[in-house]
Amino acid sequence: EPEVTQTPSHQVTQMGQEVILRCVPISNHLYFYWYRQILGQKVEFLVSFYNNEISEKSEIFDDQFSVERPDGSNFTLKIRSTKLEDSAMYFCASSELLQGRGYTFGSGTRLTVV
Amino acid sequence: GESVGLHLPTLSVQEGDNSIINCAYSNSASDYFIWYKQESGKGPQFIIDIRSNMDKRQGQRVTVLLNKTVKHLSLQIAATQPGDSAVYFCAVSTGGGNKLTFGTGTQLKVEL
Repeated sequence: EPEVTQTPSHQVTQMGQEVILRCVPISNHLYFYWYRQILGQKVEFLVSFYNNEISEKSEIFDDQFSVERPDGSNFTLKIRSTKLEDSAMYFCASSELLQGRGYTFGSGTRLTVV
Repeated sequence: GESVGLHLPTLSVQEGDNSIINCAYSNSASDYFIWYKQESGKGPQFIIDIRSNMDKRQGQRVTVLLNKTVKHLSLQIAATQPGDSAVYFCAVSTGGGNKLTFGTGTQLKVEL
């Protein structure tokens, strides 16, 4: 079964440092997403990406965040200057269709900001 | 905006019994609904989805029921097994969009 792959599985960084979280979506999917889940809380939408541009973003996704699809396979989330409150699980997801089946999540990257 | 809530943070069932997990949503324009299962340390795993033009959808051992009148969604798991132990989230999309709003999750515990 096709998977969304995320690396690294765990990232520890110092406050103020930049981090890049990486994702390889399912190959025939067209829509890409980032979500985050603070420990013990619900999964929250960050951003969706389609046709090489952001299609929607949440209030959480401020100027510190950016996304990029640098090549045909990778999808990255960059946090420019991390804060303690950025510590969370970050999930990448992809889907073939808008509101379609196959909205698949990766296993996540646990980001710890110290 | 949309808010999504689950009725019970924890549900304990005996192995072999049926489980029912409930979810309420706030936006009547919500039109696509997904149930996810999340095991410890893993990402949400798709279980079953339903669109607003349907009331019921069945999969293997799972059924999703949608009541648009009261904005309520439920997941029924038949013959619950130990492997079903996980946190279950409902997720809702509105207005034909692709952003999912998640509920808070119900921890399903299966007792032997």
